[in-house]
Amino acid sequence: EIVLTQSPGTLSLSPGERATLSCRASQSVSSTYVAWHQQKPGQAPRLLIYGASSRATGIPDRFSGSGSGTDFTLTITRLEPEDFAVYYCQQSWTFGQGTKVEIK
Amino acid sequence: EVQLVESGGGLVQPGGSLRLSCAASGFIFSTYGMTWVRQAPGKGLEWVSYISSSGSTTYHADSVKGRFITSRDNANNSVFLQMNSLREEDTAVYYCTRGPRVFDPWGQGTLVTVSS
Repeated sequence: EIVLTQSPGTLSLSPGERATLSCRASQSVSSTYVAWHQQKPGQAPRLLIYGASSRATGIPDRFSGSGSGTDFTLTITRLEPEDFAVYYCQQSWTFGQGTKVEIK
Repeated sequence: EVQLVESGGGLVQPGGSLRLSCAASGFIFSTYGMTWVRQAPGKGLEWVSYISSSGSTTYHADSVKGRFITSRDNANNSVFLQMNSLREEDTAVYYCTRGPRVFDPWGQGTLVTVSS
C-alpha cells in the first residue's frame, strides 16, 4: 500500500510570496496518476494539477507541479489572497494528509 | 458545464442504511468511470469506491468492503452509493467525482452523520 506524506503540515506565508509544497510517496509511483487538489473551507476539492505537471482547465499559471519517482512538488509562484487553502496530493486512489497554506 | 450533484445524505443510527445519489450533467456520462470520496469532519480525503463506465466493475476501500455497494444508471446519468451496516466512523461528507484516477470535477458533497 502506497502512503503519501505531505510537508509541511502548515505553511504560513504572506500574499505575494512563493509557496513550495512537498508530497513524498512511500515507494516509486507513476507520475501519470499524480494530482494536486485545492480545497477551501466549506467547499469541494478542485483539481489543480494532473499527470504531476499539467494544469487543469482554468488553473492560473502561477500554479505548477513537478517531480517523479517518490518526490513531487506543487509550487505557487506568487500567492494571491484566494490561494490560502488546503492542498492535497493524490496518487491513484491514495491521498496525502494535506498541507494548509495560511496567511502569515 | 460539467456538473455533479449529490443527494441522499442525512442522520442515521448505527447499523442503519442510506443510499446516496449523484446526478451528472454536461458530459457523456456513459463513457466515464466514477468515484466516491469521503471526508470525515476536520479530516483529509479518503477514497471510497470506483465504478467503471459500464458498471461492470467496481472497487471498494477495505474500510467499506462488504457494507457499501456502488452502482450506476447510465440511462439517467446517475451513480449511487448504497451504504449498509453504517458505523459512527462512516460520518463524513461524501463526494462523487468523475474519473477513475484523475478526479475532475467534484460534486458539492452530501453529509452523512451516523449517530444514535
